[in-house]
Amino acid sequence: KNEVEQSPQNLTAQEGEFITINCSYSVGISALHWLQQHPGGGIVSLFMLSSGKKKHGRLIATINIQEKHSSLHITASHPRDSAVYICAVSGSRLTFGEGTQLTVNP
Amino acid sequence: EAQVTQNPRYLITVTGKKLTVTCSQNMNHEYMSWYRQDPGLGLRQIYYSMNVEVTDKGDVPEGYKVSRKEKRNFPLILESPSPNQTSLYFCASRDGGAGNEQFFGPGTRLTVL
Repeated sequence: KNEVEQSPQNLTAQEGEFITINCSYSVGISALHWLQQHPGGGIVSLFMLSSGKKKHGRLIATINIQEKHSSLHITASHPRDSAVYICAVSGSRLTFGEGTQLTVNP
Repeated sequence: EAQVTQNPRYLITVTGKKLTVTCSQNMNHEYMSWYRQDPGLGLRQIYYSMNVEVTDKGDVPEGYKVSRKEKRNFPLILESPSPNQTSLYFCASRDGGAGNEQFFGPGTRLTVL
């Protein structure tokens, strides 16, 4: 079993829909990261959190340390949100989930 | 602009021909790392460096070498590339511990024939 599990692996939505991507982990962590990888391949950091909730524009990330679970929400999704979203956890090293491929159709 | 740069961005080569992928960061970060990304496997760490002249193996170091002679540069060396090293490679850097934000380079797509 992977140390970091994401679900779903693939997600297709219509523009305007509310989207949730989940991440569960099995190791002790100091922080959890949500990353975005666009079709061109570049990776950018969206959030880094160790407790509670963070919001940036239409994106919201939450983490429950006791349950070892985090969610990334996208409100009012748009085709430009189409990307791979990667969860990564910082323990002794950075461990990545396999990513969620999100496609938002107009 | 704070950034991590990699070169080349794309490379097609043949088995056994030594190559180097360069990585440079302008943020004075101590920690630098190399990852490879493969379908179904996600990002896996190849090597990392905590500071100048301090490097260590990650999860998949076989067939790779690195060096850290200067703080800003962390080249990845493939002495004798093989087709199973065909992958998308990312360099990254961060300031301080594992809980800090990591900055990624744009990626290098390598094909070994």
